[in-house]
Amino acid sequence: DAGVTQSPTHLIKTRGQQVTLRCSPKSGHDTVSWYQQALGQGPQFIFQYYEEEERQRGNFPDRFSGHQFPNYSSELNVNALLLGDSALYLCASSSGTAPGKLFFGSGTQLSVL
Amino acid sequence: EDQVTQSPEALRLQEGESSSLNCSYTVSGLRGLFWYRQDPGKGPEFLFTLYSAGEEKEKERLKATLTKKESFLHITAPKPEDSATYLCAVQWGSGGYQKVTFGTGTKLQVIP
Repeated sequence: DAGVTQSPTHLIKTRGQQVTLRCSPKSGHDTVSWYQQALGQGPQFIFQYYEEEERQRGNFPDRFSGHQFPNYSSELNVNALLLGDSALYLCASSSGTAPGKLFFGSGTQLSVL
Repeated sequence: EDQVTQSPEALRLQEGESSSLNCSYTVSGLRGLFWYRQDPGKGPEFLFTLYSAGEEKEKERLKATLTKKESFLHITAPKPEDSATYLCAVQWGSGGYQKVTFGTGTKLQVIP
């Protein structure tokens, strides 16, 4: 049973560019959440997708957007990249029976130069 | 302000030296408290869920407890492989508006 998979594992971009990160949830999970984790910090909630719609959103600007597909996989898009967007981006999946029990992927390390 | 605070930020123990990590929270409508372990360059790995004050969960050398305002992760006779960052997270809110807020973590180093 595959867990949560994310791609790519590492990414280097320059300021102003756009990036798309991808996530496949754990089998049987229908909810995908995205987190940003800066070095030495805890994960910060970006948004959550359920039934192909954004259900909740954290304190992140509109430059951060996402999508969920019918197979429950998800994408995170970040436009107009800033140096401060450099971080580990984590995808987590969960099911309706245990919404707080998150299963994380290994993340995408994004570096903005 | 809703928040989750972990202490200490870092902890260095000798192998076999037991200790506790703390997670205190101020949120409205606690639905559950979760402990995760995170190794460098990896995503957090789920350890425990606690739902009500007085509840305890154990796994190998780890034991998590919950009170009305805080949780403790007790580590008994730790080994070097227990070295990691331990994160706590709180699920809070009501109805369709429930959020999960993470603390900043405790970085544990166990010296052989």
